[in-house]
Amino acid sequence: GDSVTQMEGPVTLSEEAFLTINCTYTATGYPSLFWYVQYPGEGLQLLLKATKADDKGSNKGFEATYRKETTSFHLEKGSVQVSDSAVYFCALSDPNTNAGKSTFGDGTTLTVKP
Amino acid sequence: KAGVTQTPRYLIKTRGQQVTLSCSPISGHRSVSWYQQTPGQGLQFLFEYFSETQRNKGNFPGRFSGRQFSNSRSEMNVSTLELGDSALYLCASSRGQGANTEAFFGQGTRLTVV
Repeated sequence: GDSVTQMEGPVTLSEEAFLTINCTYTATGYPSLFWYVQYPGEGLQLLLKATKADDKGSNKGFEATYRKETTSFHLEKGSVQVSDSAVYFCALSDPNTNAGKSTFGDGTTLTVKP
Repeated sequence: KAGVTQTPRYLIKTRGQQVTLSCSPISGHRSVSWYQQTPGQGLQFLFEYFSETQRNKGNFPGRFSGRQFSNSRSEMNVSTLELGDSALYLCASSRGQGANTEAFFGQGTRLTVV
């Protein structure tokens, strides 16, 4: 079945540092890929998405590129801020094989210190 | 455009009782998915409904059930509550078909079983 593997956390960075959170996936079809962010006490918010190979999703300075050859979708940001502290989830969904179901990674907790 | 609304936000129940949680999706979304989030297990898929039909089901016991109404609102029910059912229950809505399968999440219902 489908699965998502995220780099284990927690990750602690200083403000303005470069961020990478690794994500790899296994899927039988051609999934769409997503990054979600969860702030304390809140639900998940969609951060960015990519629907086909080589697509780059971007939002709020975060980027991720859909790499089919390495089955990866790593999240990057050039300069993190304290306000980026949250839990980040990589996810996939495949409307052709498993409509309506998203498969999530375990989440990576990011703490950014001033 | 209103987001996904989950009620109630917090709930305390006694072991053995049953509970019903409600989710109102974004207008126009026909798919509603439910997830259980716990510190130890991460985000676990419960089930998904599309146009009042259950399309997908996760690996949860039969005590967990759900339904969807003609206006796409959904409820999930947990009977004979156990301490281990304490979790954040998240509802997500999406269009449920085609390329735009990203899920939009509510803030969740925090269930505590004592």
